[in-house]
Amino acid sequence: AQSVTQPDIHITVSEGASLELRCNYSYGATPYLFWYVQSPGQGLQLLLKYFSGDTLVQGIKGFEAEFKRSQSSFNLRKPSVHWSDAAEYFCAVGEVGGSNYKLTFGKGTLLTVNP
Amino acid sequence: NAGVTQTPKFQVLKTGQSMTLQCAQDMNHEYMSWYRQDPGMGLRLIHYSVGAGITDQGEVPNGYNVSRSTTEDFPLRLLSAAPSQTSVYFCASSLGPFNEKLFFGSGTQLSVL
Repeated sequence: AQSVTQPDIHITVSEGASLELRCNYSYGATPYLFWYVQSPGQGLQLLLKYFSGDTLVQGIKGFEAEFKRSQSSFNLRKPSVHWSDAAEYFCAVGEVGGSNYKLTFGKGTLLTVNP
Repeated sequence: NAGVTQTPKFQVLKTGQSMTLQCAQDMNHEYMSWYRQDPGMGLRLIHYSVGAGITDQGEVPNGYNVSRSTTEDFPLRLLSAAPSQTSVYFCASSLGPFNEKLFFGSGTQLSVL
């Protein structure tokens, strides 16, 4: 079964600083990978996704992520963080097989942005 | 479009009571799913459906039932609530299987005393 690890439970950065959130996955085949963001009291919103092709994917709100098969990683980056980026971020990996469509989420990384 | 609508937003139950969490979408999405979110645990899949009449179990299905009689609705039933089911529940839908963008409802906060 697939699994997702987000090593950092909580990260604090200053506004304007760069950001990298780590995600490692375990999956036998080529994974389908996602990053979602959750603002307080809200549901999740898709930031970006990777299925195949270019290993650097661009998402909404200026985020990007890079798929590195050799490291089983899909880290999320942003060059300059804004105060509005404070939220919880979830990495997810999808499994497909027959009628099986399961999306497994990591435990999340809470981002705090200092002024 | 209303998107994914969950009701109620908040609910308090006593142990042993039953209730149904409602989820409806107006986007003609085939795929619908229920997750629970607990502190430090992320989101865990309870049940999902790939179309009307078709449901399957996710990671944590025990204590929950689902049915999918229409494309629009995917209710989650707790037959005998337990304190371990205290959580925030999210319904999500997508046009196809998971590799499509998931649209999430705003959540139901459930407390079981």
